Amino acid sequence: SQQGEEDPQALSIQEGENATMNCSYKTSINNLQWYRQNSGRGLVHLILIRSNEREKHSGRLRVTLDTSKKSSSLLITASRAADTASYFCATPHNQGGKLIFGQGTELSVKP
Amino acid sequence: DTAVSQTPKYLVTQMGNDKSIKCEQNLGHDTMYWYKQDSKKFLKIMFSYNNKELIINETVPNRFSPKSPDKAHLNLHINSLELGDSAVYFCASSPSSGGATDTQYFGPGTRLTVL
Repeated sequence: SQQGEEDPQALSIQEGENATMNCSYKTSINNLQWYRQNSGRGLVHLILIRSNEREKHSGRLRVTLDTSKKSSSLLITASRAADTASYFCATPHNQGGKLIFGQGTELSVKP
Repeated sequence: DTAVSQTPKYLVTQMGNDKSIKCEQNLGHDTMYWYKQDSKKFLKIMFSYNNKELIINETVPNRFSPKSPDKAHLNLHINSLELGDSAVYFCASSPSSGGATDTQYFGPGTRLTVL
């Protein structure tokens, strides 16, 4: 299957705690992206990490990429209730913009 | 002001009917996509168009037919709807021809329920 695997599938934490989500693929990964999906809404792009980068920061987000292990992680620090959403990793496959998405991690941040 | 818009937001219909979902983007992007998200939230690409030309055509039943009248619009027509077509369908767009670093911008989704 081309689908990425995300772990955990669901995560429930308290406000202020950190949340870590992991993503792995069976095929090679390249320029991995993370998206957020709020309930009943479309996906929103969060961050892109290029295949020659190992770590990238954006505000409270920290993303790592290990191309040899075909895996990535997303860390959200000091979580807020508004971070409650599903988070998806995605990597391009061949040309034409085809993104292979992970299964998603459903994050619930309790106030 | 909506960047990628879809209509309708909800669609409830009977098996065997034919229905269409419309998508428009005002971002000036060259590439548009249709995705299907199932009940387990698995998101799978169906089609992509670059400047009105079909680029990606995944293994999708030929009951599904995309049409792109211009690069700002990508519609999805579904014939002879089946129960298994029930899902949320997302339209998306990206700036260029789907390069490896292209960010995709998603519409709000159309929830299709086939009874």
